[in-house]
Amino acid sequence: EDQVTQSPEALRLQEGESSSLNCSYTVSGLRGLFWYRQDPGKGPEFLFTLYSAGEEKEKERLKATLTKKESFLHITAPKPEDSATYLCAVQAYNDYKLSFGAGTTVTVRA
Amino acid sequence: EPEVTQTPSHQVTQMGQEVILRCVPISNHLYFYWYRQILGQKVEFLVSFYNNEISEKSEIFDDQFSVERPDGSNFTLKIRSTKLEDSAMYFCASSGRQGSSGNTIYFGEGSWLTVV
Repeated sequence: EDQVTQSPEALRLQEGESSSLNCSYTVSGLRGLFWYRQDPGKGPEFLFTLYSAGEEKEKERLKATLTKKESFLHITAPKPEDSATYLCAVQAYNDYKLSFGAGTTVTVRA
Repeated sequence: EPEVTQTPSHQVTQMGQEVILRCVPISNHLYFYWYRQILGQKVEFLVSFYNNEISEKSEIFDDQFSVERPDGSNFTLKIRSTKLEDSAMYFCASSGRQGSSGNTIYFGEGSWLTVV
């Protein structure tokens, strides 16, 4: 069974204080690893898909990286509007569904 | 920005009643999904749908649940005889195709179901 573990559960940052979120996964052949942002009471908002170890993607202050066992979401110089829960999900090669982690809730203080 | 739309945004129903949640996936997408998120818990897969049939379903998706694509634009989730534990946010999602490129899965804003 696919497993996704995210750490830490919660992260409080000062505006401008860069940090990283971790997503460890176990999957029987990875088709893709997905990062989403979720605001309270809203649906997951797509950020990135990573397909192979060594791949990196960037969007504004966010950068996602992938190894064979884990992915990192780096937040550089965060702003209060980056406050959200960040979800990691994996899709197995022989599967359609996404298996989600529990998320990391990031709070950025001005 | 392409968008998955869901209705209703919030529904309160009596235990034992039937509920239909509606979704309009992104227009050129081929794969459709329902997920749910119980308050404070992980997002959980329910079912995927492709070419007018279920392609995969989870253990949660038992005989109480059904999905349908009644026309070219809508995708529905029906929950028969609702239980208290069905209270959750239900998300519809869609994607263009599976595969190593362009496999972006977009989620709607959700339908919050409260069973009383």
